[in-house]
Amino acid sequence: GAGVSQSPSNKVTEKGKDVELRCDPISGHTALYWYRQRLGQGLEFLIYFQGNSAPDKSGLPSDRFSAERTGESVSTLTIQRTQQEDSAVYLCASSYRTGTDTQYFGPGTRLTVL
Amino acid sequence: AQRVTQPEKLLSVFKGAPVELKCNYSYSGSPELFWYVQYSRQRLQLLLRHISRESIKGFTADLNKGETSFHLKKPFAQEEDSAMYYCALRDSGGSNYKLTFGKGTLLTVNP
Repeated sequence: GAGVSQSPSNKVTEKGKDVELRCDPISGHTALYWYRQRLGQGLEFLIYFQGNSAPDKSGLPSDRFSAERTGESVSTLTIQRTQQEDSAVYLCASSYRTGTDTQYFGPGTRLTVL
Repeated sequence: AQRVTQPEKLLSVFKGAPVELKCNYSYSGSPELFWYVQYSRQRLQLLLRHISRESIKGFTADLNKGETSFHLKKPFAQEEDSAMYYCALRDSGGSNYKLTFGKGTLLTVNP
């Protein structure tokens, strides 16, 4: 079946603009995660959605970052007033039920803030 | 706070040679450790997890709690093993969905 998909694959924006990144998890996966990977760094956890439970937003680096998920499907990560330090690859992952299930990653969105 | 350290950014070996990718961690609880791999132009995928104690594509990794290490090993490297490898740790507590990743090691297997 189809894996996790993300769009756009690449996004170039100007400092101060808002951007929206989209993630489509594997169908039937109730858990969804966002990670950020800056150049030369490991993945950093941003946010976790599990079914209808309140999301764990503890990894969001500032209040310019927010994320939503519609039911158990699509999620969007929004970055307001982008800064150059937001440039990174943003990865989405989903797992079948809980966080202990294997996480399947999407291809990522490469964000460049000029 | 947990931390995962992969001391080598780059590792280059010849085909048929043994390879070991190092991973050390710091964590106060009982961790679950993973190796993820990203081949060129492919997405990140799970290679193996320590609780499975299995060999995948000839790779094995043993959790050494005394040395807080989870090194990835393969006795005879193949060219198709060339990829980026990430070691990751999962919280065993209430936030047991969070993965903490190392910075990765780029393995190149030369012919």
